[in-house]
Amino acid sequence: GESVGLHLPTLSVQEGDNSIINCAYSNSASDYFIWYKQESGKGPQFIIDIRSNMDKRQGQRVTVLLNKTVKHLSLQIAATQPGDSAVYFCAENIATGRRALTFGSGTRLQVQP
Amino acid sequence: DAGVIQSPRHEVTEMGQEVTLRCKPISGHNSLFWYRQTMMRGLELLIYFNNNVPIDDSGMPEDRFSAKMPNASFSTLKIQPSEPRDSAVYFCASSLRGGTGGSPLHFGNGTRLTVT
Repeated sequence: GESVGLHLPTLSVQEGDNSIINCAYSNSASDYFIWYKQESGKGPQFIIDIRSNMDKRQGQRVTVLLNKTVKHLSLQIAATQPGDSAVYFCAENIATGRRALTFGSGTRLQVQP
Repeated sequence: DAGVIQSPRHEVTEMGQEVTLRCKPISGHNSLFWYRQTMMRGLELLIYFNNNVPIDDSGMPEDRFSAKMPNASFSTLKIQPSEPRDSAVYFCASSLRGGTGGSPLHFGNGTRLTVT
């Protein structure tokens, strides 16, 4: 089912390669960041999160890197599998004001077998 | 854990009709969020609740949209009257600690609304 825009940036990788998905966030006051994976017809699924007092966090096959100086977030997926094909969103929680997650526009990951 | 449950999964209605979307959050979560996803605008926050109280509804497009949370296990999003530009996928999400941050949102699988 349709869940994302027509003009999403797309990253195409070979199965078994490592993937790096990048995100530039908007607000220097953001204190918490999350990566989500969204498959067709489903809601966003939590992958990994990181707080602003950290610069790296690792999960199972995934690593999130945070560079607060340039307001950049990345998601690294090791040994990418066909099941990793989806749209990936970064989300930031701004520590002031609204204090609810704001989502980026997403990146489509296509894994070639 | 059944996760966040939304109903209906799909809704097709004619312009001018009332639409009600429903959400059951994860038990024990005290924050609930309604998001809308479209091709043009991506995921947009409409409104969120903490402990059943609306905290921020600034994302609600206009007065045709209203949301309620009568208890900790149920919320509705109503559109009356509906218009074709309301066509989108509407997601409900819940978290342990929304608003104050630091807790991931867990999403339902959405309601795909089509207004003709």
